[in-house]
Amino acid sequence: DAKTTQPNSMESNEEEPVHLPCNHSTISGTDYIHWYRQLPSQGPEYVIHGLTSNVNNRMASLAIAEDRKSSTLILHRATLRDAAVYYCILRALFGNEKLTFGTGTRLTIIP
Amino acid sequence: ETGVTQSPTHLIKTRGQQVTLRCSSQSGHNTVSWYQQALGQGPQFIFQYYREEENGRGNFPPRFSGLQFPNYSSELNVNALELDDSALYLCASSRDVVLNTEAFFGQGTRLTVV
Repeated sequence: DAKTTQPNSMESNEEEPVHLPCNHSTISGTDYIHWYRQLPSQGPEYVIHGLTSNVNNRMASLAIAEDRKSSTLILHRATLRDAAVYYCILRALFGNEKLTFGTGTRLTIIP
Repeated sequence: ETGVTQSPTHLIKTRGQQVTLRCSSQSGHNTVSWYQQALGQGPQFIFQYYREEENGRGNFPPRFSGLQFPNYSSELNVNALELDDSALYLCASSRDVVLNTEAFFGQGTRLTVV
């Protein structure tokens, strides 16, 4: 499984945008980039995924570098509820849907 | 549409005992995966079931076994419990094993082995 690298922790002020980076230099052409987050005492929750183009949904935006070796999850206006561990995961186009989690980025929101 | 539910939420077992954890998948989902999450770590893939057959397994010993039923609910069984088996066990369901769809996780079962 291709590996991703994320900062261990980040802090952001409430109501400001947050940019969570992820490096995946060994990504293959058929790997999707998925983001999940895990709030305290809960199971992981899907956030967004993409292949090549930038993606937007109601939760976040995903900006993918042109060479696909890095990506950034963007929370446009952080709230206290966004405090969680964020995981960046590469997933093959076709496969058994196994998710390979790293240690993720622990995001702290400062009121 | 009901979400993924797991039972029990918490469990304490003695070393050497056996345990069964249960998972009800989200409506319309035929694929269930199980993960183990140790404290401070990301979830680790145990195995996956698709239409009642095992469809992939992580680096876990054979004493970790599973089952998927015709209604796509699933069980995780662990025999000869060890202290290191203490963890949060997560179940995730998804619509199809082939497509790159999102996985929906339950809240997990916290297993403590003493």
